[in-house]
Amino acid sequence: QVQLQQWGAGLLKPSETLSLTCAVYGGSFSGYFWSWIRQPPGKGLEWIGEINHSGSTHYNPSLKSRVTISLDTSRNQFSLNLNSVTAADTAVYYCARRPGGQFRTTYYYYYYMDVWGKGTTVSVSS
Amino acid sequence: QPALAQPASVSGSPGQSITISCTGTSTDVGAYNYVSWYQHHPGKAPKLMIYDVSNRPSGVSDRFSGSKSGNTASLTISGLQAEDEADYYCSSYSSNNIFVFGTGTKVTVL
Repeated sequence: QVQLQQWGAGLLKPSETLSLTCAVYGGSFSGYFWSWIRQPPGKGLEWIGEINHSGSTHYNPSLKSRVTISLDTSRNQFSLNLNSVTAADTAVYYCARRPGGQFRTTYYYYYYMDVWGKGTTVSVSS
Repeated sequence: QPALAQPASVSGSPGQSITISCTGTSTDVGAYNYVSWYQHHPGKAPKLMIYDVSNRPSGVSDRFSGSKSGNTASLTISGLQAEDEADYYCSSYSSNNIFVFGTGTKVTVL
């Protein structure tokens, strides 16, 4: 059974860079998109972006200028970097898996997140 | 990309049925049959309840069902139980490889 374990700094000052990592245990790293989603206090979920096993990325246009999602296939980990943070970036950050499959030499992906991490609370305050 | 619109709260008594709406646009909900629903108990990881508008993952109760008409998707919970009390979020694939979530609905079991 696939599990996602995430970690990273929980308290940042404005203008610093948020860095979180998510490790994938108990399953393959290939053939999936690996996502980051956040939930500000009292608000709904917000999709941040995703990366697949070959490094292809998609980002939320509202965050694209500040976000980088990367992966370390040797460790089955992927990471989120969000620079120039402000108080508006205070949120619980979740990593998640978007499932997919392979037909012959072609990868395909489904359009939902089926496995989620437990979340990491990040606060931005001076 | 604006969030999908959901009612802030919906309530019902045990055994009743409730429906949560999720309204998007012709570029997300209306354009694709890729609406999913997530149950979120505070402090826990969100749980996938419905995918591709109306499909249930293995292990999810058949009391949960989904549908879509035009730009609006819906999640129905029948035979409401105390354990269903949670926040529910819809999500839709949108154009240009983007996902958008709903504003969230708090379900209260009276």
